[in-house]
Amino acid sequence: SYELTQPPSVTVSPGQTARITCSGDVLATQYTYWYQQKAGQAPVLLIYKDTERPSGIPERFSGSSSGTTVTLSISGVQAEDEAAYYCQSTDSSAAYVFGTGTKVTVL
Amino acid sequence: QVQLVESGGALVKPGGSLRLSCAVSGFNFGDNYMSWIRQAPGKGLEWVSYISSGATYRDYAASVKGRFTISRDNAENSLYLQMNSLRAEDTAVYYCARMVNTVTTGYFDPWGPGTQVTVSS
Repeated sequence: SYELTQPPSVTVSPGQTARITCSGDVLATQYTYWYQQKAGQAPVLLIYKDTERPSGIPERFSGSSSGTTVTLSISGVQAEDEAAYYCQSTDSSAAYVFGTGTKVTVL
Repeated sequence: QVQLVESGGALVKPGGSLRLSCAVSGFNFGDNYMSWIRQAPGKGLEWVSYISSGATYRDYAASVKGRFTISRDNAENSLYLQMNSLRAEDTAVYYCARMVNTVTTGYFDPWGPGTQVTVSS
């Protein structure tokens, strides 16, 4: 089945910027969405339509897109941002696909 | 306050059946597409199925097509997933979520806390 590729892990120091990439051919023509999942909890929508932030999501979370790669950036990383992050889009058969997931560690 | 609460998860033997439910409150359930998404232990997220607001349209992941059936009761604000011929690889936490459709794609917001399904002999 189709998958979107993410790095397995990213380690960042508090206050620095974390960047998480998501790659896949469909991303050139389809919107990408990002979710945050803290340990033992359900995912929460962080970014929709590549760059839009839902109400209640801190401004330090932002999304960008370039061709077949999209990026989630977390500026001024805080300890509470330690979580798994997943991108999501739609493949050519109109199935909903998630990225492989990235674990962000704040050290 | 928007709330989605799944129930019905259990330990079931391979080949068995299970019906999951999701009770929704805090938004107009009957106007929204809904979806099931699952997460195997220590693994990533996998979309399972969606159903349109009036139940006209439904779709399934290839991994569950022919074995799972999604349905809804708009009068009861409830979503269901009937799972038959269960396999060990169906073991996962199952989440229900509102599905927001755009023209060519969609996303999931919000999600319920999930219910655990374990398929084992």
